[in-house]
Amino acid sequence: GAVVSQHPSWVICKSGTSVKIECRSLDFQATTMFWYRQFPKQSLMLMATSNEGSKATYEQGVEKDKFLINHASLTLSTLTVTSAHPEDSSFYICSAATGTSYEQYFGPGTRLTVT
Amino acid sequence: QKEVEQDPGPLSVPEGAIVSLNCTYSNSAFQYFMWYRQYSRKGPELLMYTYSSGNKEDGRFTAQVDKSSKYISLFIRDSQPSDSATYLCAMRRDSGGYQKVTFGTGTKLQVIP
Repeated sequence: GAVVSQHPSWVICKSGTSVKIECRSLDFQATTMFWYRQFPKQSLMLMATSNEGSKATYEQGVEKDKFLINHASLTLSTLTVTSAHPEDSSFYICSAATGTSYEQYFGPGTRLTVT
Repeated sequence: QKEVEQDPGPLSVPEGAIVSLNCTYSNSAFQYFMWYRQYSRKGPELLMYTYSSGNKEDGRFTAQVDKSSKYISLFIRDSQPSDSATYLCAMRRDSGGYQKVTFGTGTKLQVIP
């Protein structure tokens, strides 16, 4: 149980375009979802926390207008990277949590390459 | 100073060796400690979760927490090539899964057959 999926697993886009990444909890309802970014040889850095039906809370230094997060339902959150630039190329990972569990369940990640 | 410090490695050991992975932290508010394993190009998976100081064992894995020294460790006994991965320590202040988690940079482990 507690499976989180991400789609797509790998995306290449041109500079200036927007990319949407989906995060789904497949067998549980996720009251909270997290979005992380991981650069090579670096740790996971939390970008934002979102609760179903409310606005996301962004970490300091993360541009909310550039990284749009929508947590429309208890099983789906989306991250849209708007006007992507090469420096946005990274590994984006989501995780999901229920209100009753101590654990965050991680998705497999999405590798974004902006050319 | 980072809140969580972890040696990035890489660490290479022969199969069957005992592996010791460590993290230090500076924020005394951290109460819950986790170890995650992350294979290349995959999301992290939870290995161990501990709260109090002391040891917690699960199969070949032992997690150790020393809150007085702000030091946590993960020991892997009888290491296997399938243990080759990056190991991330993580910690947070409160118990709920909805709480923010702070990760170390990860230690890359290679177990050589």
